[in-house]
Amino acid sequence: DTAVSQTPKYLVTQMGNDKSIKCEQNLGHDTMYWYKQDSKKFLKIMFSYNNKELIINETVPNRFSPKSPDKAHLNLHINSLELGDSAVYFCASSQGSRRETQYFGPGTRLLVL
Amino acid sequence: GEDVEQSLFLSVREGDSSVINCTYTDSSSTYLYWYKQEPGAGLQLLTYIFSNMDMKQDQRLTVLLNKKDKHLSLRIADTQTGDSAIYFCAETHSGYSTLTFGKGTMLLVSP
Repeated sequence: DTAVSQTPKYLVTQMGNDKSIKCEQNLGHDTMYWYKQDSKKFLKIMFSYNNKELIINETVPNRFSPKSPDKAHLNLHINSLELGDSAVYFCASSQGSRRETQYFGPGTRLLVL
Repeated sequence: GEDVEQSLFLSVREGDSSVINCTYTDSSSTYLYWYKQEPGAGLQLLTYIFSNMDMKQDQRLTVLLNKKDKHLSLRIADTQTGDSAIYFCAETHSGYSTLTFGKGTMLLVSP
């Protein structure tokens, strides 16, 4: 009964490849997020979706494309992976304006070689 | 833009109190949070405080907010070795929430 789950947990790939990370939440929330945590542990918002619609799109290369097939899922597809994409990617969810209940997934550790 | 600053490292002995400090620049912050990240793990929400409060206590955790100085602190009473982790301060403001995080404070608790 995991609240926010991500797959895969680890991802090691070559530069130039295309990869996807999946996120699912079973909390009934309507807002989902992707955050990136770099090697210095700095966390930064990438995208936010509310009811399958993109509402926040920070300055992220257009190689990153989020997709939300339904309210419970938010996937992240990355094209032409670069070394600098190596990071931990966290998915999170919340219920609209209830900002105090933003729950995070366990993270996907991406290493680009 | 918004900025959240934290000291990077704190070392305490088991049984002592720990105080982790955070400053932020966005005066329109509505909620301020403390998250805990254990090694190799995700982020766990520890506690939060709404900007119209100045203190919140939850078991061993006490959050103090000085809105005038834009200063937030987290006090952990009777710190245990299991409290060793990185603690992130974060804030959000009006509109759909995204969290702006500090860079995290690594708390090391020694026996």
